Amino acid sequence: QSVLTQPPSVSAAPGQKATISCSGSSSNIWSNYVSWYQQLPGTAPKLLIYDNNKRPSGIPDRFSGSKSGTSATLGITGLQTGDEADYYCGTWDTSLSAGVFGGGTKLTVL
Amino acid sequence: QLHLQESGPGLVKSSETLSLTCTVSGGSISDSSYYWGWVRQPPGKGLEWIGCIYYTGSAHYNPSLKSRLTISVDTSKKQFSLKLRSVTAADTAVYYCAREDSSASRDYWGQGTLVTVSS
Repeated sequence: QSVLTQPPSVSAAPGQKATISCSGSSSNIWSNYVSWYQQLPGTAPKLLIYDNNKRPSGIPDRFSGSKSGTSATLGITGLQTGDEADYYCGTWDTSLSAGVFGGGTKLTVL
Repeated sequence: QLHLQESGPGLVKSSETLSLTCTVSGGSISDSSYYWGWVRQPPGKGLEWIGCIYYTGSAHYNPSLKSRLTISVDTSKKQFSLKLRSVTAADTAVYYCAREDSSASRDYWGQGTLVTVSS
């Protein structure tokens, strides 16, 4: 069981928008920054969003992040087939004094 | 450009110790802004945070692994290492090393190395 909860799968049509939720608690998401990762098959995770809503250099503005209370959301607009991947949220858990991840969400672009 | 590379045995026998090293190139392992961490991913499953270490040697561990885990750093070699004792088949996974900032985001990752625990 992951500390952070994500839907196992999300699907949307090319060109449309997809949103992936990440639910936690007061000891993790509420009190710490959230990051998001994209993992294409057979590759290492790639940082998409850090500090809740910031994009590293090179990440297109089609990707966005937000946080409210004990939940965070990743948004992807203008979906492309190349966006099909597993997406993970992550943060720090102050009570555990440890990093934590969500269970991951498989995005399918229909 | 920062580069991280994992190295170590791909096969470990059950009850023995899994040892991996991550070598950092293209940047400083003594950068005070970052921790150096390990993440693993069992086949077909999600990511699990293992632990991280600061260049001073201060470390944080996953509570579920803490009793079997040691993470160390050698700044002179620009390396940090993982030792996981008394492994079982449940420890079979791809192990990644990564650079981790103070907000627990990981911007640079190694390519990952598959470690299989055999009986």
